[in-house]
Amino acid sequence: DIQMTQSPSTLSAFVGDRVTITCRASQSIHIWLAWYQQRPGRAPKLLVYDASILESGVPSRFSGSGSGTEFTLTISSLQPDDFATYYCQQYDTFYTFGQGTKVEIK
Amino acid sequence: QVQLVQSGSEVKKPGSSVTVSCKASGGTFGNYALSWVRQAPGQGLEWMGRVIPVLGTTNYAQDFQDRVTITADKSTNIAYLSLRSLRSDDTAVYYCTRGGDSGSFAFWGQGTLVTVSS
Repeated sequence: DIQMTQSPSTLSAFVGDRVTITCRASQSIHIWLAWYQQRPGRAPKLLVYDASILESGVPSRFSGSGSGTEFTLTISSLQPDDFATYYCQQYDTFYTFGQGTKVEIK
Repeated sequence: QVQLVQSGSEVKKPGSSVTVSCKASGGTFGNYALSWVRQAPGQGLEWMGRVIPVLGTTNYAQDFQDRVTITADKSTNIAYLSLRSLRSDDTAVYYCTRGGDSGSFAFWGQGTLVTVSS
């Protein structure tokens, strides 16, 4: 099975900060990686797919990059709506999620 | 626009079974894989398995292979998750989810809370 490791587990930041979340796969997954945002009590929301393609309607302050085993999600200027938990997911071989990164207000 | 509407919350006894449904509207039901993902309280997301209605094929995560069955009825556009031999650690929100043009999960149901308690 492909394992996905996210870091950090928790991130404290101010509104306006640039934040980066990293996701590492246990083997190459090419570009088959997605990022999701989840707010408490809500279903996850797709932000980025195929490592770097922004889902329709997602603000341009979100961006994804990487290939192979190393991937990042960057929020260029953190907004109040962005305080949530973020998950990466591989879909190269079935599906595996990272353990999540909680973005908290500093 | 694709919408996935799930059945309501369930309370079950340990050792029993539960079936959760997911009705899809919009889009073409049969052509896309429909997966089930669960989330225990305060925990992360865990993929359980999927069905591809047009092919009639299923795939299950190893951790659930012995206890889960996923089916899809193309005539009603409803997918089902059945989980047997329930334990307290099966208490979770269960989501159905469907891909878009990539393999990622573009569409999600609202979630169904299953509580397993004696």
